[in-house]
Amino acid sequence: QVQLVQSGAEVKEPGSSIKVSCKSSGSPFSSYAFSWLRQAPGQGLEWMGAIIPIFDTTKKSQKFQGRLTIIADVSTNTAFMELRSLTSEDTAVYYCARGLRGPRWGGAFEVWGQGSTVSVS
Amino acid sequence: SFVLTQPPSVSVAPGQTARITCEGNTIGGNLVHWYRQRPGQAPVLVVYDTSDRPSGIPERFSGSRSGNTATLTISRVEAGDEADYFCQVWESSSDHPYVFGTGTKVTV
Repeated sequence: QVQLVQSGAEVKEPGSSIKVSCKSSGSPFSSYAFSWLRQAPGQGLEWMGAIIPIFDTTKKSQKFQGRLTIIADVSTNTAFMELRSLTSEDTAVYYCARGLRGPRWGGAFEVWGQGSTVSVS
Repeated sequence: SFVLTQPPSVSVAPGQTARITCEGNTIGGNLVHWYRQRPGQAPVLVVYDTSDRPSGIPERFSGSRSGNTATLTISRVEAGDEADYFCQVWESSSDHPYVFGTGTKVTV
C-alpha cells in the first residue's frame, strides 16, 4: 500500500522560504500526478500545484505563480514544494497527495501525506 | 472562479442517515469526489467519480448527483463518522482547476 511521508513542522520568519518534501513508498512514483495542497487553521482545503514526474510537467494555481516551485526526484521517489516570500497568511498545514488517474491531471486525490505544519511568525 | 457550496454543519443521530450536499454550476458537467477529514488528520477519499467507493470504504458511504447538486449519503451513521467532509471537482477551464467545497461538519 502506497504511503506518502512528509517532512516535519517548521517555523519561518516573514519573507523567508519553505521547502517541504513528500516521499512515496510505492511504485511507480513517476507515473502519477502529485499535488500540493494546504489548509489554514480552521479553514478548508486549497490546491496549490502539482507535478507529473514522468513528463516533468507542472501545473500551478494562478494564486501562487511566481513564488511556488514544485519538483520531483525520481531516484528517491520524492516530491518537493518550495514557497517563497512567506507571510503570516501562509501559516497552514501543507499536504501532498497522489492523484488517482496515473499520469494525468484531474480526478480525485487517492493517497495523502500526513501533513506538514508551517508557521510563519 | 468556481464555487462549491456546502452546508456548514449537519447533525445526525447514530443509526440514522446523513446527507451532505455540494452545489455549484460546475457540478453538472464534472465528476465529483468526497473526502472525510477527522480532527488533526489528513483527508481520506470516501467517494470518487461521483458514486464510486475506494477499497476499504464501507458501503454505507454513497454518492449521487442531480443537476448542479451532488450529495454524499452516509447510512447507519456511527460515532466514527463525525468529521469534516469536503467535495471536490476538476474544472479544466479554471486557473485554479482543483476546486474544493466549503466543507461540512458532521456531528453525530
